[in-house]
Amino acid sequence: GQQLNQSPQSMFIQEGEDVSMNCTSSSIFNTWLWYKQDPGEGPVLLIALYKAGELTSNGRLTAQFGITRKDSFLNISASIPSDVGIYFCAGRPSNDYKLSFGAGTTVTVRA
Amino acid sequence: DGGITQSPKYLFRKEGQNVTLSCEQNLNHDAMYWYRQDPGQGLRLIYYSQIVNDFQKGDIAEGYSVSREKKESFPLTVTSAQKNPTAFYLCASSQPSSGKSYEQYFGPGTRLTVT
Repeated sequence: GQQLNQSPQSMFIQEGEDVSMNCTSSSIFNTWLWYKQDPGEGPVLLIALYKAGELTSNGRLTAQFGITRKDSFLNISASIPSDVGIYFCAGRPSNDYKLSFGAGTTVTVRA
Repeated sequence: DGGITQSPKYLFRKEGQNVTLSCEQNLNHDAMYWYRQDPGQGLRLIYYSQIVNDFQKGDIAEGYSVSREKKESFPLTVTSAQKNPTAFYLCASSQPSSGKSYEQYFGPGTRLTVT
């Protein structure tokens, strides 16, 4: 599968901050998924997106399926310490049924 | 509670030995997947199975083998032919016939260390 370009690679958060990350692909995708992974654990599905322009929330998390169908965004509002972890995007190209994954965004609490 | 279990959590092997990682799901999902995770990289697909008694190679199948004799089980064997087997291995499942067919659910992972 193709590799997705996920940015930023890492970020530091302070409690209460809003944070954003995004994922881009070189081809059109029909599905975007966002996962969170804690150290030494498996990824947990946060949000699934199926339509271009779709905006979906899960608590303080909001994700959007880009209009071009080549990108997706995840926002975390009013961050709390338990938001630390690695956030992965995953997508399904229009010409495949397997998922491609981004390299992840590592979120750490700023000291 | 439905879910995916992987065992063991940590596995240590000597170079040259084959090792089998277990993956069991009670979600009644038809499709199962094995991924490898290395630091700073996205998940890479090793093998996948859409239905019992059938499986296909993913992007990095060399040095690995699988079987799918039961719907709930999809064991992965890391053979001595795998040149760099030390990694975190993740099993996942999905239900292709559902409206959420592309949503994959992951197990807790097995960390394999080969020395």
